[in-house]
Amino acid sequence: TQLLEQSPQFLSIQEGENLTVYCNSSSVFSSLQWYRQEPGEGPVLLVTVVTGGEVKKLKRLTFQFGDARKDSSLHITAAQPGDTGLYLCAPHGSSNTGKLIFGQGTTLQVKP
Amino acid sequence: NAGVTQTPKFRVLKTGQSMTLLCAQDMNHEYMYWYRQDPGMGLRLIHYSVGEGTTAKGEVPDGYNVSRLKKQNFLLGLESAAPSQTSVYFCASSYISGSLDEQYFGPGTRLTVT
Repeated sequence: TQLLEQSPQFLSIQEGENLTVYCNSSSVFSSLQWYRQEPGEGPVLLVTVVTGGEVKKLKRLTFQFGDARKDSSLHITAAQPGDTGLYLCAPHGSSNTGKLIFGQGTTLQVKP
Repeated sequence: NAGVTQTPKFRVLKTGQSMTLLCAQDMNHEYMYWYRQDPGMGLRLIHYSVGEGTTAKGEVPDGYNVSRLKKQNFLLGLESAAPSQTSVYFCASSYISGSLDEQYFGPGTRLTVT
């Protein structure tokens, strides 16, 4: 069983602050996805990272895949209330079934 | 396009009752998945299907059965509900193109078993 850990589990910050969320594992992954889930809705894909060391930016969100492809981070600059939600990392293994392993998630609350 | 839809949105069952959750997608996706989401545990895969007529077990399959008789539909059944099955259930679908594929999720079904 692959151990996947997201930290922190909960984060409550003021609008305008910066934050980083981490996703760590002891296993190597072929790729990793980040999803955001708003209350009462299903998760929505934010980004897919594939190459070790890869950095992708999505407006104020910066995603990085670790060099060894065992970990990833999500950094949000100048957080806004609209960023509030549950952030889930989902590494993908080597099989071709599309199965994802979801982390337990980081719940982010951004107060105005 | 409606994307992925789930019915019902809410349901309350008594222990021992049975029910079926329906998932439908209109994107012609080959792969479909059923997850459950519990506080502090993320999403856990129950069963999945790689095409019409095929199903496979995921991480937590016990107490659930599934069927994929039509490509666009994926049914999740609880034969004898237990309080431990109280959860929010999400269906998802994807095309599958190696490891880069996006999963599209439905809005979820909140199930309470008393």
